[in-house]
Amino acid sequence: IAGITQAPTSQILAAGRRMTLRCTQDMRHNAMYWYRQDLGLGLRLIHYSNTAGTTGKGEVPDGYSVSRANTDDFPLTLASAVPSQTSVYFCASSTTRPPGELFFGEGSRLTVL
Amino acid sequence: QKEVEQNSGPLSVPEGAIASLNCTYSDRGSQSFFWYRQYSGKSPELIMSIYSNGDKEDGRFTAQLNKASQYVSLLIRDSQPSDSATYLCAVNSRDDKIIFGKGTRLHILP
Repeated sequence: IAGITQAPTSQILAAGRRMTLRCTQDMRHNAMYWYRQDLGLGLRLIHYSNTAGTTGKGEVPDGYSVSRANTDDFPLTLASAVPSQTSVYFCASSTTRPPGELFFGEGSRLTVL
Repeated sequence: QKEVEQNSGPLSVPEGAIASLNCTYSDRGSQSFFWYRQYSGKSPELIMSIYSNGDKEDGRFTAQLNKASQYVSLLIRDSQPSDSATYLCAVNSRDDKIIFGKGTRLHILP
């Protein structure tokens, strides 16, 4: 089934540990995005990539890094997790023209203790 | 000030009535506007996109865009209990970043 796959679905992590959330799409979309969703704060953009080989910072990039080595994969890394990074993380993809019709993965629930 | 503003609600609407959801945005250069629906515990799904001033209708949903006022709205006619969800307004910002509002919780009362 075409779409976006995120892994893991859920993870509990000790503060200070490194964590990579994986995201893979098979729709050959140029653009990919990482959002975090917290109660009362909606979806906030962490990082994005308009095409393979390029990335950009979103609204809340601090403490996160991304890479876009190819079209399909867009991993999000927390180098040293902190409790404030406890959230639900959504990966999304879209074509770039027109931009914004996003297809979302099922989300990754991360708890940092 | 967040780039995309929505009333968080909850907005309660009787079944069969019209639900009206509103959104304002700050970037005058934005060209693309979207409404997503999110059920509790699920990922957002696109329900409407609009790119030019005026109204766009799709079934029971109508999106309205006024770029001069930097305002976009979503009307849901003949509201059903299954429409109860959080509705997220999204706008493409500079560099094609897609920025979301905080969302409006909608409750359809049977």
